[in-house]
Amino acid sequence: QVQLLQSGAEVKKPGASVEVSCKASGYTFTSYALHWVRQAPGQRLEWMGWINVGNGLTSYSQNFQGRVTITRDTSANTAYMELRSLRSEDTAMYYCARRPLSGTYSFDNWGQGSLVTVSS
Amino acid sequence: DIQMTQSPSSLSASVGDRVTITCRASQGISNYLAWFQQKPGKAPESLIYSASSLQSGVPSRFSGSGSGTDFTLTISSLQPEDFATYYCQQYNFYPLTFGGGTKVEIK
Repeated sequence: QVQLLQSGAEVKKPGASVEVSCKASGYTFTSYALHWVRQAPGQRLEWMGWINVGNGLTSYSQNFQGRVTITRDTSANTAYMELRSLRSEDTAMYYCARRPLSGTYSFDNWGQGSLVTVSS
Repeated sequence: DIQMTQSPSSLSASVGDRVTITCRASQGISNYLAWFQQKPGKAPESLIYSASSLQSGVPSRFSGSGSGTDFTLTISSLQPEDFATYYCQQYNFYPLTFGGGTKVEIK
């Protein structure tokens, strides 16, 4: 079955960087896109960006432009999201979500989430 | 960016009730509308895509409708496991955007 297994919780200081990983299994990794979405406490879901796992092309929300980088390692079936220059407002649960590269589908599977806490 | 507005923000209902949640887009998005269910402390789960198509494994008591700017999610007979927060999402334009959520609580 499809599984997206994310890395564990992180605690970071303001100004630091964090990298969250998303390891895929149960499907052909390169046939899908992976998106990253975050949810601050009590807030709505916020889309951050995505990667076409097949060709490596990326696109990011302007809200994070310059601070976020999404990459993938096809040999490890893993995608990564790095967020830099962390501030307290970046404290949130971060999710990866799978989306087919073709068709009129949105996200069909989600990772379990990775909590990132930014605190001095 | 396209703004997604859900109503109501919360509702109380009983098991067996019919529940309807609405979602409005700030501009037309055709039928590129998805619905997700999120339970406390859990990741969202996908319910509906293309406004009205059920994800595999989703019970048939869930249905979606709409096109353009106005959409609805209906639960025909609310079950105990359906008490959760529901989010709509437009995926016609980047950045992808979500509604503010509707929390369905037990009456």
